Amino acid sequence: GQNIDQPTEMTATEGAIVQINCTYQTSGFNGLFWYQQHAGEAPTFLSYNVLDGLEEKGRFSSFLSRSKGYSYLLLKELQMKDSASYLCAVLDSNYQLIWGAGTKLIIKP
Amino acid sequence: ETGVTQTPRHLVMGMTNKKSLKCEQHLGHNAMYWYKQSAKKPLELMFVYSLEERVENNSVPSRFSPECPNSSHLFLHLHTLQPEDSALYLCASSQDLENTEAFFGQGTRLTVV
Repeated sequence: GQNIDQPTEMTATEGAIVQINCTYQTSGFNGLFWYQQHAGEAPTFLSYNVLDGLEEKGRFSSFLSRSKGYSYLLLKELQMKDSASYLCAVLDSNYQLIWGAGTKLIIKP
Repeated sequence: ETGVTQTPRHLVMGMTNKKSLKCEQHLGHNAMYWYKQSAKKPLELMFVYSLEERVENNSVPSRFSPECPNSSHLFLHLHTLQPEDSALYLCASSQDLENTEAFFGQGTRLTVV
């Protein structure tokens, strides 16, 4: 079966750095997405990785290792507004998105 | 504002009621999706439409009936639901099926009593 694993919840301090991991086992691979979802709001696109390596976009970076079936989202200089759920999703060989259950990130002052 | 609008935002319905959820996208996308989001569970893909034709139906109970009258609008008709159907229902769109950077609506919080 297809499976995406990510931690259920993480806590970090304002101004610090946090890394949210995602491991996957899917039928084929056509890219990995990270989305952010604030409580009661729509998920919004953060990043897309299809090749190995690190993609940096401001305070957020996303890393992919296809051989390990592994990705992480790195958030730097954390702000209170970064408190949200972070969803990992993989595009399989049929171009269907397989979703993780999301990681709830709690930021403390 | 993601360019995808869902109504209503909240809905409470009895198990014998019939209601419809509406989704509209202003992005010129060709693919539209219905997802179910339950607490602490992955997003569940329910239906996929491409150019107004249904291309995916992931074994969804017949009490959920989708309708796509044109490429900008998507409906989810609900009838004789069960309490376990209570969830957040999200609509999304993407440029096409292969380009799945999806743009989501804010969802309809459905409670079945």
